[in-house]
Amino acid sequence: LAKTTQPISMDSYEGQEVNITCSHNNIATNDYITWYQQFPSQGPRFIIQGYKTKVTNEVASLFIPADRKSSTLSLPRVSLSDTAVYYCLVGERLPDKLSFGAGTTVTVRA
Amino acid sequence: DADVTQTPRNRITKTGKRIMLECSQTKGHDRMYWYRQDPGLGLRLIYYSFDVKDINKGEISDGYSVSRQAQAKFSLSLESAIPNQTALYFCATSEPYRAGGTDTQYFGPGTRLTVL
Repeated sequence: LAKTTQPISMDSYEGQEVNITCSHNNIATNDYITWYQQFPSQGPRFIIQGYKTKVTNEVASLFIPADRKSSTLSLPRVSLSDTAVYYCLVGERLPDKLSFGAGTTVTVRA
Repeated sequence: DADVTQTPRNRITKTGKRIMLECSQTKGHDRMYWYRQDPGLGLRLIYYSFDVKDINKGEISDGYSVSRQAQAKFSLSLESAIPNQTALYFCATSEPYRAGGTDTQYFGPGTRLTVL
């Protein structure tokens, strides 16, 4: 099970880009990198998943360098509603093999 | 309508009481999970089920039991509740993983349980 390390918290302001980096030095060949978002008093919600290079969807971008030992979730032009906890998960298969750590609490201020 | 529902949303009970938390889903997924969340600890897996006849213990199953009554229903029971089981409980489902990918999980709204 790949261990992940991400910052405990980050502060930002509306309109800025937020980049959250997750370290996973012992990532295995078949592991994927997945990010979830959790708003207060709600369950986590899938944001994005990737294996290598860059993945983009309507919510975020995920940058993965060639060595795959880290990944960066990028949230463009954040708003107050992006205040949430963001979890980085690394693993090959089913959620029983993955681990939700403490995540990164992102606070967006006006 | 929500795809994954949990009842009750909030519950206060006393030490030693038996309590059941229920989860229903309309997503048609075979795989279902129960997690608990404590402040600052992320989510920890209690039990999971890959189909109606399959039940597996997760990271922290002691003090809990589950029942998979149907594909759409997965219940979590605390046989004799204790105060350190006070937490936020989440039910989740997941789609079978795509070739090379990891399951995407869908979470319910959570049940806030307080054991006095």
